[in-house]
Amino acid sequence: NAGVMQNPRHLVRRRGQEARLRCSPMKGHSHVYWYRQLPEEGLKFMVYLQKENIIDESGMPKERFSAEFPKEGPSILRIQQVVRGDSAAYFCASSPRSGTGFSYEQYFGPGTRLTVT
Amino acid sequence: GEDVEQSLFLSVREGDSSVINCTYTDSSSTYLYWYKQEPGAGLQLLTYIFSNMDMKQDQRLTVLLNKKDKHLSLRIADTQTGDSAIYFCAENDSGGGADGLTFGKGTHLIIQP
Repeated sequence: NAGVMQNPRHLVRRRGQEARLRCSPMKGHSHVYWYRQLPEEGLKFMVYLQKENIIDESGMPKERFSAEFPKEGPSILRIQQVVRGDSAAYFCASSPRSGTGFSYEQYFGPGTRLTVT
Repeated sequence: GEDVEQSLFLSVREGDSSVINCTYTDSSSTYLYWYKQEPGAGLQLLTYIFSNMDMKQDQRLTVLLNKKDKHLSLRIADTQTGDSAIYFCAENDSGGGADGLTFGKGTHLIIQP
């Protein structure tokens, strides 16, 4: 059973370009979370999605950032018009569905390290 | 708001026990977690504890939870060089839904030979 897959592992973008980060959850997992890790910091929650639905985007910056988890295919975190401050590691986690709807185990992918030059 | 605090560094001798501490502020935390991150890697879920428990043991790992003081600790017995990593404490306030985790800044565990 493959773990959470993220690609690319490293992404370099110039200021003003778009960055698209992909996440494929573990098989059987229907919940996806995106986190951002700045250097020497812990992870900060950005958004929580289920298939075709954004459940909680309270951690997403209001502008330039969007996320989706389509019916088919991976979850995508999209950053438009990147700036130097977007340079960070972006981690995706997935979680299985529980009978109560609450999934307490989150399994993380290896991350995408975004560098904005 | 929610806050999770950890000391930044812990240095121990190989073979000794390591105790990594964490405090949190959210009294409605339902699950508390320990993750391990090795350089350039993602986070590995080590263990978690439900808030109605006060201890959980899994091989070399022991988690202690003092809910009254909102204090969580991770003890690693017989620390090995492979345990060198950053250890993150995290909490989840389920509130009936699957919210994102709130993480501390991580404790760098340094192993001395």
